[in-house]
Amino acid sequence: DIQMTQSPSSLSASVGDRVTITCRASQGIRNDLGWYQQKPGKAPKRLIYGASSLQSGVPSRFSGSGSGTEFTLTISSLQPEDFASYYCLQHNTYPPTFGQGTKVEVQ
Amino acid sequence: QVRLQQWGAGLLKPSETLSLTCAVYGESFSGFTWNWIRQTPWKGLEWIGEINHRGDTNYNPSLKRRVTISADTSKNQFSLRLRSATAADTAVYYCARRYCDSARCYTLDYWGQGTLVTVSS
Repeated sequence: DIQMTQSPSSLSASVGDRVTITCRASQGIRNDLGWYQQKPGKAPKRLIYGASSLQSGVPSRFSGSGSGTEFTLTISSLQPEDFASYYCLQHNTYPPTFGQGTKVEVQ
Repeated sequence: QVRLQQWGAGLLKPSETLSLTCAVYGESFSGFTWNWIRQTPWKGLEWIGEINHRGDTNYNPSLKRRVTISADTSKNQFSLRLRSATAADTAVYYCARRYCDSARCYTLDYWGQGTLVTVSS
């Protein structure tokens, strides 16, 4: 299986901060990666697909970049509704695998 | 408006079979794969398997021996069966859709609301 190493596992930030989350794949996955936001008791919500394409309806403060083995999710200016957990998912090779998640908490 | 609604038994005894169903509203079955994923605090999110409208399936090797995913295209529903459940199968289970075109497939987009399944004697 492809291992997705996500970092950090948690971070504390304030409204307005720029936040960066990274996923590293154990082997190249082209751009076959998505980013998800999950709030307690809810299903994950897709933010980014194809590593850098913004899901319709998702605010433009969210962006994704990377290809191959290194990927980044950036929130340019953190908003109160962005405090949540974030996950990456690779779908290049079966089985699809998720990162372990990043919890973004209030500083 | 695409919507996935899932249901099934929330409490099982060890060795019983976990059974969940997901109904798809607002979208046809073809052109997508229909997936099951589970989530636990200790293992995180784990992909279980998928099925397409032709009935072709892919399973996670870690669960393949115990899992069957089936579909009833006439009802726009697909189902998960996990045999010989143990406490380690206690998780929130989600159904989800993945879009595929002629060139490639994309990441999971629409998800069901999740079902907590507890395996306990």
